[in-house]
Amino acid sequence: NAGVMQNPRHLVRRRGQEARLRCSPMKGHSHVYWYRQLPEEGLKFMVYLQKENIIDESGMPKERFSAEFPKEGPSILRIQQVVRGDSAAYFCASSPTVAVQPQHFGDGTRLSIL
Amino acid sequence: GQQLNQSPQSMFIQEGEDVSMNCTSSSIFNTWLWYKQDPGEGPVLLIALYKAGELTSNGRLTAQFGITRKDSFLNISASIPSDVGIYFCAGDNQGGSEKLVFGKGTKLTVNP
Repeated sequence: NAGVMQNPRHLVRRRGQEARLRCSPMKGHSHVYWYRQLPEEGLKFMVYLQKENIIDESGMPKERFSAEFPKEGPSILRIQQVVRGDSAAYFCASSPTVAVQPQHFGDGTRLSIL
Repeated sequence: GQQLNQSPQSMFIQEGEDVSMNCTSSSIFNTWLWYKQDPGEGPVLLIALYKAGELTSNGRLTAQFGITRKDSFLNISASIPSDVGIYFCAGDNQGGSEKLVFGKGTKLTVNP
């Protein structure tokens, strides 16, 4: 998975704290996608962003979750007031353009809520 | 929401055997992708399919985009121990949004 960099790889938070997950897309890629994976499950789409724009956030919970992809710097997935059910692996993917370009994934952030 | 039905859920095979897994959907997909995921890592793209009927190979892997656009299969020939992992199909059925829908995966175990 060279190219898409996610950090941290593991994040432990207590209930009520905030979690910030970072994703740097592959060089030359301007489209970023966030997915969530529960154990023994496939990935579930959360949000699709381009630089400074949210294109599709239909898979993201309306409360406590937000995402951004600023002009400079990595994309951030932010979870406020975390609850136990937020424990999962969060994956970021990137692609250079929308049309017929497959998404390449990072190695994910494993979020554990105590 | 959209779901992809991926089968089988798991497979236990001997090294050297061929493997076949498939994905079906109740709706039409514009793109089919096959990924492999190893423990603790992200999915790695194996094959991407963009046209109905398309048959594409990548080494020992072959995948096809079903003619109805509602299914896809992945074959692995002459399996080796490093083929162990979870294989996911994924598809895009909305065009433009690039929102991928994933199957639940096929867990492959290869006995040496």
